[in-house]
Amino acid sequence: KQEVTQIPAALSVPEGENLVLNCSFTDSAIYNLQWFRQDPGKGLTSLLLIQSSQREQTSGRLNASLDKSSGRSTLYIAASQPGDSATYLCAVESEDSSYKLIFGSGTRLLVRP
Amino acid sequence: DGGITQSPKYLFRKEGQNVTLSCEQNLNHDAMYWYRQDPGQGLRLIYYSQIVNDFQKGDIAEGYSVSREKKESFPLTVTSAQKNPTAFYLCASRKAGGSYEQYFGPGTRLTVT
Repeated sequence: KQEVTQIPAALSVPEGENLVLNCSFTDSAIYNLQWFRQDPGKGLTSLLLIQSSQREQTSGRLNASLDKSSGRSTLYIAASQPGDSATYLCAVESEDSSYKLIFGSGTRLLVRP
Repeated sequence: DGGITQSPKYLFRKEGQNVTLSCEQNLNHDAMYWYRQDPGQGLRLIYYSQIVNDFQKGDIAEGYSVSREKKESFPLTVTSAQKNPTAFYLCASRKAGGSYEQYFGPGTRLTVT
């Protein structure tokens, strides 16, 4: 059964720092991996979707990488800003349960001014 | 604007009452989902539907019911059989037939006392 883990559970950094959020999954047979942002009390906003055949995706200051064989993905945030403070969740769509996403429990990020 | 709407934003009910949460999308997506989120945790799948008049149980379907009579709508009923109904409920949708992003609504916070 696919399991998704995000470490650390919480992270606090000063403004301007580059940072990396980690996501690991136990079964490498995936269709894709998706990174989301969630602000307190709000829904999820999709940040990046990486297909299983891709190694990385970029959107502005965000770069997500995928290493299927090792079951890892990272979300790199460049030049962090206080507005980046939120919870970041990753989710995978496994080949044995298509259409369904399995979520990690998220990393709560605080960027201090 | 295309998107997913959920209503109401906050819902309060007495124990023993059934309650229905609304989810509507105008993205022309075939697949729709209901998730439950508890504090500090990731999302857990309740039910999903890939096509009108068809739906499948997710990981925590007990005490919940759904219908999919229209492509745009996927209401969730939380029944009195659900032992711990107080949670944040999120609806999502995506295109069918490939590896696509899931998009989320703003959520409904249900409190049962």
